[in-house]
Amino acid sequence: QSALTQPPSVSGSPGQSVTISCTGTSSDIGFYNGVSWYQQPPGTAPKLMIYEVNHRPSGVPDRFSGSKSGYTASLTISGLQAEDEADYYCSSYTSSSGSTPYVFGTGTKVTVL
Amino acid sequence: EVQLLESGGGLVQPGGSLRLSCAASGFTFSSYAISWIRQAPVKGLEWVSAISGSGGDTYYADSVKGRFTISRDNSKNTLYLQMNSLRAEDTAVYYCAKGNSIFGVDTEYYFDSWGQGILVTVSS
Repeated sequence: QSALTQPPSVSGSPGQSVTISCTGTSSDIGFYNGVSWYQQPPGTAPKLMIYEVNHRPSGVPDRFSGSKSGYTASLTISGLQAEDEADYYCSSYTSSSGSTPYVFGTGTKVTVL
Repeated sequence: EVQLLESGGGLVQPGGSLRLSCAASGFTFSSYAISWIRQAPVKGLEWVSAISGSGGDTYYADSVKGRFTISRDNSKNTLYLQMNSLRAEDTAVYYCAKGNSIFGVDTEYYFDSWGQGILVTVSS
């Protein structure tokens, strides 16, 4: 199974908005709504930020939002803050050939300028 | 508060074996599937294996099928990963991650709590 495609990096100034894309295929993002997003600051474990495309777990700030169109899911961070600097990964259920049911994105480093 | 604590990592030679453990607390352990997810140095995340809440169903990535075995002891709230025939490419930080369902595989599955991770290094 190939990883979902994310841009290697995005950056923005405090207060700005940034959007991270996550592109898959008809076997994953294009067909299923099991898209989730994870934040991983340096040296720490991933943390769930968005599930089922656009749902936020309790405690996640509402400046984080998710969406999906066709084969591409997106994570938008509005009102960027210094604490948002981290790596971000998308994930999806996949029905492509092989036994692996879940695939992650290649990861995007968010830098706050 | 959900807590997951991995142990058992370390340095092992190629072809060797290692057993990871993940001690869980803060939730009804048997009601949720748990996965192992790994991250090679300076690389992205890779799903490795999952087990249903009852332990009756197990799932593996193609890259570890036939070499790794996932299991759980619901009386001890502990998850295991037996890793055999280890290769250099298995070197990674291994995380245990709780899912949102009792089933190990689901089209709307996500990983809502993660352990801090444990490093496994395969090298001679």
